[in-house]
Amino acid sequence: DSGVTQTPKHLITATGQRVTLRCSPRSGDLSVYWYQQSLDQGLQFLIQYYNGEERAKGNILERFSAQQFPDLHSELNLSSLELGDSALYFCASSTRQGIDEQFFGPGTRLTVL
Amino acid sequence: AQSVAQPEDQVNVAEGNPLTVKCTYSVSGNPYLFWYVQYPNRGLQFLLKYITGDNLVKGSYGFEAEFNKSQTSFHLKKPSALVSDSALYFCAVRPIPGGSYIPTFGRGTSLIVHP
Repeated sequence: DSGVTQTPKHLITATGQRVTLRCSPRSGDLSVYWYQQSLDQGLQFLIQYYNGEERAKGNILERFSAQQFPDLHSELNLSSLELGDSALYFCASSTRQGIDEQFFGPGTRLTVL
Repeated sequence: AQSVAQPEDQVNVAEGNPLTVKCTYSVSGNPYLFWYVQYPNRGLQFLLKYITGDNLVKGSYGFEAEFNKSQTSFHLKKPSALVSDSALYFCAVRPIPGGSYIPTFGRGTSLIVHP
């Protein structure tokens, strides 16, 4: 158990809908990262927050947004969903940026029908 | 820009034999290097990292990796493979100093250990 929790574990929805994925980092970790994993694209970095502030953006679509709250949990919002958004979405946390290893949550499997 | 290459999509090894999973990287300056493992339907788990110092790094579950600056490689090794080592392995790199705090991950190598 990494100490990172993600909910829900599975999510099935229809095209055009909006969903919210939730992540709670390990106790004491200030940095939260979101990744998308699919068979064809591999592990893609989406966005990072550090102590409530956005610090880095990767290949995140404009239809996607995220935030980190004062209690350090984070939410990833996916809107106007398309079939191609079906993937595993992972949240990871680390104590510091860069030097520390990341601890990954179990992931949310999103299926868009 | 930083990049990581894992040249083998799949590595097959017999149980009890040594295993190697290859990783080469490209960064400006010196690297931080990481190995992660992903078991089916699970998130990635940290195995080991190289920051500085001894080129041979020991990690979890008997794995080790050797940093080779001249060959820009960070291959993952284990002297005797177990069937339970079968999983997807990811190498990651980020440059030091400065630059993006976000590590770049390779595409992963599927390790299959045969009984």
